[in-house]
Amino acid sequence: SAVISQKPSRDICQRGTSLTIQCQVDSQVTMMFWYRQQPGQSLTLIATANQGSEATYESGFVIDKFPISRPNLTFSTLTVSNMSPEDSSIYLCSVYGQGGNEQFFGPGTRLTVL
Amino acid sequence: GIQVEQSPPDLILQEGANSTLRCNFSDSVNNLQWFHQNPWGQLINLFYIPSGTKQNGRLSATTVATERYSLLYISSSQTTDSGVYFCAVVMVGYALNFGKGTSLLVTP
Repeated sequence: SAVISQKPSRDICQRGTSLTIQCQVDSQVTMMFWYRQQPGQSLTLIATANQGSEATYESGFVIDKFPISRPNLTFSTLTVSNMSPEDSSIYLCSVYGQGGNEQFFGPGTRLTVL
Repeated sequence: GIQVEQSPPDLILQEGANSTLRCNFSDSVNNLQWFHQNPWGQLINLFYIPSGTKQNGRLSATTVATERYSLLYISSSQTTDSGVYFCAVVMVGYALNFGKGTSLLVTP
């Protein structure tokens, strides 16, 4: 398995501002994934973050809006920039566990934009 | 990419009842997972089951890879089983592609 923590757990922000979400893993991992879950919806992949390279973004997500850092093998950040109410979602990070087959998720960051 | 369809979308059960949730996928997969999202938003791993059958307490799952479906069985349901159940398969690039989920409410 993998133990993943996220900060903050929740936040309420004003439109036009930015929020940086942190994801910390208890072991070194090559890939980290960031997902978004809009209210009442399923999870959608934002990007894959590999240490030492640029993140790979899914269609509909751009680096200017969701910049990602991956400074080492246990940590990543996702920034939600220039927020609007449509960005209100749960943001989750995930990694593969030690066995390499099963993906585990952090507790999520519940973001509300007013 | 691989399409993932879950049914039913919503389910209401009385405590003690059994249920079967279904996940259909459009192409062969070598990784399928079931998750339970509790009312607080936490995603809990239930099964990693690309094929075969597994059981964990009151829950069991079966994946028939050749026929492209997986089933999650919940027996003797409890109110704490309420939440959303997601099926997910691996995409190119190793991230997960999620179905839309089955929202389960277990009433006392």
